[in-house]
Amino acid sequence: DAKTTQPTSMDCAEGRAANLPCNHSTISGNEYVYWYRQIHSQGPQYIIHGLKNNETNEMASLIITEDRKSSTLILPHATLRDTAVYYCIAAYGQNFVFGPGTRLSVLP
Amino acid sequence: NAGVMQNPRHLVRRRGQEARLRCSPMKGHSHVYWYRQLPEEGLKFMVYLQKENIIDESGMPKERFSAEFPKEGPSILRIQQVVRGDSAAYFCASSPPIDLGRGLDETQYFGPGTRLLVL
Repeated sequence: DAKTTQPTSMDCAEGRAANLPCNHSTISGNEYVYWYRQIHSQGPQYIIHGLKNNETNEMASLIITEDRKSSTLILPHATLRDTAVYYCIAAYGQNFVFGPGTRLSVLP
Repeated sequence: NAGVMQNPRHLVRRRGQEARLRCSPMKGHSHVYWYRQLPEEGLKFMVYLQKENIIDESGMPKERFSAEFPKEGPSILRIQQVVRGDSAAYFCASSPPIDLGRGLDETQYFGPGTRLLVL
């Protein structure tokens, strides 16, 4: 599976958009990009995923570059409850490899 | 639709005892995955199972660890003769059957985890 790299940590002001980048420069054509988050020590929570096209759901938007070498997760209006570790995964089939993720702190 | 269920949520064992962790997948899901998370670390894949079959156990320690997903009932992760280094959070995830119409999009949905503490 493609290795992903993410910033170790980021801060975001409450109410502002949080933009979390992820690099997956070695991603192959059939690998999806998945985003999960883990709040405290809870189980990882699925956020969104995509293959080529940008995606949006009730939680977030996913922007994937045309060459698919990077992506950005956008939380449009971050709240304090969005403070968590965010994981970006590039995977084909079931082989999910979790890196250290980005620790997002939403500040009041 | 209930999510992935795991029990117990917390488990305390003494060194040398056995630990059994159970996972019930989401309704309609036939694939189960187990991950381990050590304190302050990311999740590490352990094993992937379908009903009555182990598909990928490349992340399982060679000794003392086993997993099953019987035709009826939950998936079980079993750790024999536990040691202090087994103390961790163990997460189970499930995904639906493969649908060729959506390619190999196998989004995994995670349970709340079992925190194992070995004294």
